[in-house]
Amino acid sequence: DIVMTQSPDSLAVSLGERATINCKSSQSVLYSSNNKNYLAWYQQKPGQPPNLLIYWASTRESGVPDRFSGSGSGTDFTLTISSLQAEDVAVYYCQQYFTTPCTFGQGTKLEIK
Amino acid sequence: EVQLVESGGGLVQPGGSLRLSCAASGFAFRSYWMHWVRQAPGKGLVWVSRINGDGSSTRYADSVKGRFTISRDNAKNTLYLQMNSLRAEDTAVYYCARVRGYGDANDVFDIWGQGTMVTVSS
Repeated sequence: DIVMTQSPDSLAVSLGERATINCKSSQSVLYSSNNKNYLAWYQQKPGQPPNLLIYWASTRESGVPDRFSGSGSGTDFTLTISSLQAEDVAVYYCQQYFTTPCTFGQGTKLEIK
Repeated sequence: EVQLVESGGGLVQPGGSLRLSCAASGFAFRSYWMHWVRQAPGKGLVWVSRINGDGSSTRYADSVKGRFTISRDNAKNTLYLQMNSLRAEDTAVYYCARVRGYGDANDVFDIWGQGTMVTVSS
């Protein structure tokens, strides 16, 4: 199975500042035939199910604010929140769907400083 | 409104069984691959199982293979997870999730249910 490792485990950022979460996969999730990275990001608020933010490493899901962006390729990926809002407090997960079973990172807890 | 609603969770003794259901509404259920994902208390997300649109293809995590069975009734717009020989480590919130994309097999989940809690304890 592909192991997904996120860093940091927790992060405190001031309102309006940038938040950056990293995700590393144990093997590449880039499919050469279509040049797509099989990597998604989810946000999970307390007591709620996960919410899809980003797929194909950088494609924002419909309705997701444009302050959320994804980047990276191969084995190293980043989720960036350009200007942190109070409602962004949550746990964020990366997920690879290159192979079955799909696997998730351990999560990064984002808080307000 | 596109919606998934799970039911069937509860407290069960080790070695017991439960059947979870996930009622879908607001979309063409038979055209979407569906999954179960679980989350132990205070822990991360773990994929459990998936089924294709017509139910002819299924896959399982190694941790549940041979004990859990995923199925669907497209006439009832309902997904199931039959869980047998339950263990303490199966304790979790179980979410059903829809794959993003009509007929898509890529495991990106755009719609999730609220989850149903399964507790395995004596």
